Amino acid sequence: DGGITQSPKYLFRKEGQNVTLSCEQNLNHDAMYWYRQDPGQGLRLIYYSQIVNDFQKGDIAEGYSVSREKKESFPLTVTSAQKNPTAFYLCASSLGLASNEQFFGPGTRLTVL
Amino acid sequence: QQQVKQSPQSLIVQKGGISIINCAYENTAFDYFPWYQQFPGKGPALLIAIRPDVSEKKEGRFTISFNKSAKQFSLHIMDSQPGDSATYFCAATGGGNKLTFGTGTQLKVEL
Repeated sequence: DGGITQSPKYLFRKEGQNVTLSCEQNLNHDAMYWYRQDPGQGLRLIYYSQIVNDFQKGDIAEGYSVSREKKESFPLTVTSAQKNPTAFYLCASSLGLASNEQFFGPGTRLTVL
Repeated sequence: QQQVKQSPQSLIVQKGGISIINCAYENTAFDYFPWYQQFPGKGPALLIAIRPDVSEKKEGRFTISFNKSAKQFSLHIMDSQPGDSATYFCAATGGGNKLTFGTGTQLKVEL
Protein backbone atom coordinates (compact mmCIF):
# COMPACT_ATOMS: atom_id res chain seq x y z
CA ASP A 1 0.00 0.00 0.00
CA GLY A 2 1.93 3.00 -1.27
CA GLY A 3 1.72 6.44 0.21
CA ILE A 4 3.07 9.05 2.56
CA THR A 5 2.89 8.70 6.31
CA GLN A 6 3.35 11.44 8.85
CA SER A 7 3.69 11.04 12.57
CA PRO A 8 2.51 11.94 15.03
CA LYS A 9 -0.93 13.16 14.03
CA TYR A 10 -1.06 15.57 16.98
CA LEU A 11 1.94 17.04 18.75
CA PHE A 12 2.16 19.35 21.72
CA ARG A 13 5.28 21.28 22.56
CA LYS A 14 6.29 23.63 25.30
CA GLU A 15 7.79 26.95 24.33
CA GLY A 16 11.55 26.76 23.92
CA GLN A 17 11.60 23.11 22.91
CA ASN A 18 12.65 21.70 19.56
CA VAL A 19 10.38 19.07 18.04
CA THR A 20 10.80 16.75 15.03
CA LEU A 21 7.99 15.76 12.68
CA SER A 22 8.34 12.53 10.75
CA CYS A 23 7.58 12.01 7.06
CA GLU A 24 8.08 8.72 5.24
CA GLN A 25 7.13 7.75 1.69
CA ASN A 26 7.25 4.43 -0.15
CA LEU A 27 6.37 5.83 -3.56
CA ASN A 28 10.02 5.86 -4.67
CA HIS A 29 9.73 9.60 -5.25
CA ASP A 30 12.89 11.67 -5.50
CA ALA A 31 11.43 15.01 -4.40
CA MET A 32 9.91 15.75 -0.99
CA TYR A 33 8.42 18.89 0.47
CA TRP A 34 7.26 20.39 3.75
CA TYR A 35 4.40 22.88 3.89
CA ARG A 36 2.84 24.83 6.67
CA GLN A 37 -0.89 25.49 6.61
CA ASP A 38 -2.55 28.29 8.55
CA PRO A 39 -6.20 29.35 8.24
CA GLY A 40 -6.73 31.73 5.34
CA GLN A 41 -3.13 31.48 4.12
CA GLY A 42 -3.09 28.39 2.00
CA LEU A 43 0.00 26.19 1.90
CA ARG A 44 3.38 27.81 2.36
CA LEU A 45 6.57 25.98 1.41
CA ILE A 46 9.09 25.51 4.22
CA TYR A 47 11.78 23.28 2.70
CA TYR A 48 12.09 20.91 -0.22
CA SER A 49 14.53 18.25 -1.30
CA GLN A 50 15.27 17.10 -4.80
CA ILE A 51 17.60 14.21 -3.95
CA VAL A 52 19.18 12.52 -0.96
CA ASN A 53 21.58 14.72 1.02
CA ASP A 54 20.34 17.86 -0.69
CA PHE A 55 17.61 20.30 0.32
CA GLN A 56 16.62 23.89 -0.34
CA LYS A 57 14.87 26.59 1.64
CA GLY A 58 11.34 27.44 0.70
CA ASP A 59 9.46 30.65 1.35
CA ILE A 60 9.31 30.41 5.17
CA ALA A 61 12.37 28.38 6.25
CA GLU A 62 13.36 30.50 9.27
CA GLY A 63 13.08 28.53 12.49
CA TYR A 64 12.96 25.17 10.74
CA SER A 65 15.54 22.57 9.74
CA VAL A 66 15.43 19.36 7.70
CA SER A 67 17.57 16.41 6.71
CA ARG A 68 17.40 13.97 3.82
CA GLU A 69 19.65 11.05 4.70
CA LYS A 70 17.39 8.48 3.03
CA LYS A 71 15.22 8.72 -0.06
CA GLU A 72 12.17 7.61 1.90
CA SER A 73 12.49 10.00 4.81
CA PHE A 74 12.39 13.79 5.17
CA PRO A 75 12.02 14.80 8.84
CA LEU A 76 11.29 18.40 9.78
CA THR A 77 12.55 19.95 13.01
CA VAL A 78 10.69 22.94 14.39
CA THR A 79 13.20 24.80 16.49
CA SER A 80 12.70 27.20 19.37
CA ALA A 81 13.63 29.98 16.95
CA GLN A 82 10.30 29.59 15.17
CA LYS A 83 8.21 32.39 16.69
CA ASN A 84 4.75 31.06 15.91
CA PRO A 85 4.98 27.30 15.35
CA THR A 86 1.37 26.33 16.04
CA ALA A 87 0.07 25.13 12.67
CA PHE A 88 -0.83 22.14 10.51
CA TYR A 89 2.25 20.69 8.82
CA LEU A 90 1.99 18.78 5.57
CA CYS A 91 4.61 16.64 3.89
CA ALA A 92 4.41 15.91 0.17
CA SER A 93 6.40 14.08 -2.47
CA SER A 94 6.64 13.96 -6.24
CA LEU A 95 8.54 11.93 -8.82
CA GLY A 96 10.92 14.81 -9.33
CA LEU A 97 11.10 18.54 -8.87
CA ALA A 98 9.84 19.02 -12.42
CA SER A 99 6.95 16.66 -11.83
CA ASN A 100 3.67 18.53 -11.54
CA GLU A 101 1.72 16.25 -9.27
CA GLN A 102 2.49 16.26 -5.55
CA PHE A 103 1.10 13.63 -3.20
CA PHE A 104 0.38 14.74 0.35
CA GLY A 105 0.55 12.99 3.69
CA PRO A 106 -2.23 13.24 6.31
CA GLY A 107 -0.51 16.05 8.20
CA THR A 108 0.68 16.74 11.75
CA ARG A 109 -1.04 19.34 13.90
CA LEU A 110 1.51 21.02 16.17
CA THR A 111 0.36 23.05 19.14
CA VAL A 112 2.70 25.07 21.31
CA LEU A 113 1.52 25.29 24.89
CA GLN B 1 4.71 37.07 -10.19
CA GLN B 2 4.52 33.95 -8.08
CA GLN B 3 1.07 34.70 -6.66
CA VAL B 4 -2.08 32.77 -7.34
CA LYS B 5 -5.14 34.67 -6.14
CA GLN B 6 -8.19 32.62 -5.18
CA SER B 7 -11.77 33.66 -4.44
CA PRO B 8 -14.08 33.44 -2.65
CA GLN B 9 -12.59 32.56 0.74
CA SER B 10 -15.76 30.69 1.67
CA LEU B 11 -18.82 29.52 -0.20
CA ILE B 12 -22.18 28.08 0.80
CA VAL B 13 -24.19 26.25 -1.85
CA GLN B 14 -27.44 24.37 -1.69
CA LYS B 15 -27.45 20.69 -2.54
CA GLY B 16 -27.81 20.27 -6.29
CA GLY B 17 -26.45 23.73 -7.03
CA ILE B 18 -23.30 24.78 -8.86
CA SER B 19 -20.20 25.73 -6.88
CA ILE B 20 -17.77 28.08 -8.63
CA ILE B 21 -14.30 28.94 -7.38
CA ASN B 22 -12.04 31.35 -9.24
CA CYS B 23 -8.29 31.76 -9.47
CA ALA B 24 -6.01 34.24 -11.21
CA TYR B 25 -2.29 34.09 -11.83
CA GLU B 26 0.40 36.48 -13.02
CA ASN B 27 3.32 34.35 -14.14
CA THR B 28 2.93 33.58 -17.84
CA ALA B 29 5.44 30.74 -17.49
CA PHE B 30 2.89 28.68 -15.55
CA ASP B 31 1.68 25.76 -17.67
CA TYR B 32 -0.03 23.38 -15.28
CA PHE B 33 -3.00 24.28 -13.13
CA PRO B 34 -4.21 21.67 -10.62
CA TRP B 35 -7.02 21.81 -8.11
CA TYR B 36 -6.67 20.07 -4.76
CA GLN B 37 -9.46 19.00 -2.40
CA GLN B 38 -8.83 18.84 1.34
CA PHE B 39 -11.14 17.41 3.98
CA PRO B 40 -10.75 18.56 7.61
CA GLY B 41 -7.72 17.04 9.30
CA LYS B 42 -6.48 15.43 6.08
CA GLY B 43 -3.86 16.24 3.49
CA PRO B 44 -4.89 17.74 0.14
CA ALA B 45 -5.53 15.37 -2.76
CA LEU B 46 -5.35 16.16 -6.45
CA LEU B 47 -8.86 16.57 -7.85
CA ILE B 48 -8.42 17.69 -11.46
CA ALA B 49 -5.82 19.58 -13.47
CA ILE B 50 -5.55 21.43 -16.78
CA ARG B 51 -2.87 22.63 -19.16
CA PRO B 52 -3.30 25.88 -21.14
CA ASP B 53 -3.67 24.14 -24.51
CA VAL B 54 -7.34 23.48 -23.72
CA SER B 55 -10.03 25.84 -22.45
CA GLU B 56 -12.01 23.29 -20.48
CA LYS B 57 -11.56 19.92 -18.81
CA LYS B 58 -14.34 17.88 -17.30
CA GLU B 59 -14.16 14.91 -14.96
CA GLY B 60 -17.52 13.78 -13.70
CA ARG B 61 -19.18 16.66 -11.87
CA PHE B 62 -15.95 18.69 -11.78
CA THR B 63 -14.97 21.06 -14.59
CA ILE B 64 -12.02 23.40 -14.96
CA SER B 65 -12.49 26.41 -17.23
CA PHE B 66 -9.32 28.13 -18.38
CA ASN B 67 -8.91 31.60 -19.91
CA LYS B 68 -5.31 32.04 -21.01
CA SER B 69 -5.64 35.65 -22.17
CA ALA B 70 -7.19 36.70 -18.86
CA LYS B 71 -4.82 34.48 -16.87
CA GLN B 72 -7.75 33.03 -14.98
CA PHE B 73 -9.08 29.57 -14.29
CA SER B 74 -12.02 28.31 -12.35
CA LEU B 75 -13.45 25.14 -10.83
CA HIS B 76 -17.12 24.34 -11.33
CA ILE B 77 -18.78 21.64 -9.25
CA MET B 78 -22.08 20.64 -10.79
CA ASP B 79 -24.90 19.09 -8.75
CA SER B 80 -23.00 19.90 -5.54
CA GLN B 81 -23.40 17.33 -2.76
CA PRO B 82 -22.85 17.54 1.01
CA GLY B 83 -19.90 15.17 0.53
CA ASP B 84 -18.23 17.88 -1.57
CA SER B 85 -17.94 20.07 1.54
CA ALA B 86 -14.20 20.62 1.84
CA THR B 87 -11.49 23.18 1.25
CA TYR B 88 -10.41 23.60 -2.35
CA PHE B 89 -7.03 24.95 -3.42
CA CYS B 90 -6.03 26.03 -6.87
CA ALA B 91 -2.36 25.91 -7.76
CA ALA B 92 -0.03 26.68 -10.62
CA THR B 93 3.44 25.63 -11.72
CA GLY B 94 5.66 25.57 -14.75
CA GLY B 95 8.69 27.21 -16.29
CA GLY B 96 10.90 25.88 -13.52
CA ASN B 97 8.71 27.40 -10.81
CA LYS B 98 7.63 25.40 -7.80
CA LEU B 99 3.96 24.64 -7.20
CA THR B 100 2.27 27.81 -5.92
CA PHE B 101 -1.04 27.50 -4.09
CA GLY B 102 -4.00 29.82 -3.77
CA THR B 103 -5.26 30.64 -0.29
CA GLY B 104 -8.11 28.12 -0.39
CA THR B 105 -11.91 28.18 -0.49
CA GLN B 106 -14.02 26.55 2.20
CA LEU B 107 -17.05 25.05 0.51
CA LYS B 108 -20.12 24.03 2.45
CA VAL B 109 -22.96 22.28 0.66
CA GLU B 110 -26.20 22.48 2.60
CA LEU B 111 -29.14 20.11 2.36
